[in-house]
Amino acid sequence: KAGVTQTPRYLIKTRGQQVTLSCSPISGHRSVSWYQQTPGQGLQFLFEYFSETQRNKGNFPGRFSGRQFSNSRSEMNVSTLELGDSALYLCASTNYGSYNEQFFGPGTRLTVL
Amino acid sequence: EDKVVQSPLSLVVHEGDTVTLNCSYEVTNFRSLLWYKQEKKAPTFLFMLTSSGIEKKSGRLSSILDKKELFSILNITATQTGDSAIYLCAVEGTGNQFYFGTGTSLTVIP
Repeated sequence: KAGVTQTPRYLIKTRGQQVTLSCSPISGHRSVSWYQQTPGQGLQFLFEYFSETQRNKGNFPGRFSGRQFSNSRSEMNVSTLELGDSALYLCASTNYGSYNEQFFGPGTRLTVL
Repeated sequence: EDKVVQSPLSLVVHEGDTVTLNCSYEVTNFRSLLWYKQEKKAPTFLFMLTSSGIEKKSGRLSSILDKKELFSILNITATQTGDSAIYLCAVEGTGNQFYFGTGTSLTVIP
């Protein structure tokens, strides 16, 4: 089974621009979660999508948004980029059952200049 | 507020040493606690713990959960340079949401 894939792997943008990141979960997994990872803050939860619906949301401004398609692929969008948005963005897919485990993708490294 | 706290934040040891990493949590409707190892890429799964007092073991790594005191430890014996990584602890709570600690950065010196 293929793992979680994320594209692009690296991205450089300038302040004020917007960016879209993509995540394809493991086949059959219906849940996709997004995290922002920075050295000082660790892994911070952005949001989770399950069957095309946002089910959970972390404490991030409205500039961060996402969506999930019928094939469970998910996109995350960040508008009006700020320097502080520079981070590793990780996507994780989960196949809910009795106990749940998140499988992580390789991440997208976003640098905002 | 749900939170997961890991300690120490960083650790430097010599090859062959034994290390203990700590994870304490306050998460509503606890379902499971997970340990991950993160090198220069995606976190990789180590253990999932759901029951108190039952040790999970994989080679030189082991972990145990105490649901009464709300903490878990991850032990690594006979450390090797390949163990150098960030170790993340996550707890699943209400609504299947996962809460992560900031991680412990382990450096093993030859």
